[in-house]
Amino acid sequence: SQTIHQWPATLVQPVGSPLSLECTVEGTSNPNLYWYRQAAGRGLQLLFYSVGIGQISSEVPQNLSASRPQDRQFILSSKKLLLSDSGFYLCAWSAGVSNQPQHFGDGTRLSIL
Amino acid sequence: QKEVEQNSGPLSVPEGAIASLNCTYSDRVSQSFFWYRQYSGKSPELIMSIYSNGDKEDGRFTAQLNKASQYVSLLIRDSQPSDSATYLCAVNVQGNTPLVFGKGTRLSVIA
Repeated sequence: SQTIHQWPATLVQPVGSPLSLECTVEGTSNPNLYWYRQAAGRGLQLLFYSVGIGQISSEVPQNLSASRPQDRQFILSSKKLLLSDSGFYLCAWSAGVSNQPQHFGDGTRLSIL
Repeated sequence: QKEVEQNSGPLSVPEGAIASLNCTYSDRVSQSFFWYRQYSGKSPELIMSIYSNGDKEDGRFTAQLNKASQYVSLLIRDSQPSDSATYLCAVNVQGNTPLVFGKGTRLSVIA
């Protein structure tokens, strides 16, 4: 069966520091991969998605970037974090075909001080 | 703009009652529909998928789809306090594209 791993579970970072969040999927090949952010009490905001290695679509202009160096690895990065980057970051995967559900990792709760 | 609308709630129902959660979507060509449950502080969990008009039942959950009215609903029978969560409706509009999520309805089941 397929599993998704996302780490760390919680992270506290100072303003202006860099960020790297990693997500890996097991048990499937060529998945679609997604990064979402969820502010407290709010809905899901799609940040990036990828349909293949090196293919990244950005949904929201901001100081975050994403990379997909391997088929089942998705990384979210920032060079300098802002206070507004605080939130719950979720990685998700889906099968790389139409009409499939997305499956979420456990998330990373990021607090910026 | 592809939109999925849900009443934010909170929807409060007594234990043992039927909870009815509703969702409307804007894009008529939408093809697949999903319900997720999100407990406070946790990630969303897929609970139902529905692809064609009518009802689909899974245990205490029933998803209902009406493409003509662009409406999808989730019924939870015999509601339990453990069903208290935010329920997200998600729609796949076309092809191999990201799901469009509603903002969710918060359900509270009162013992």
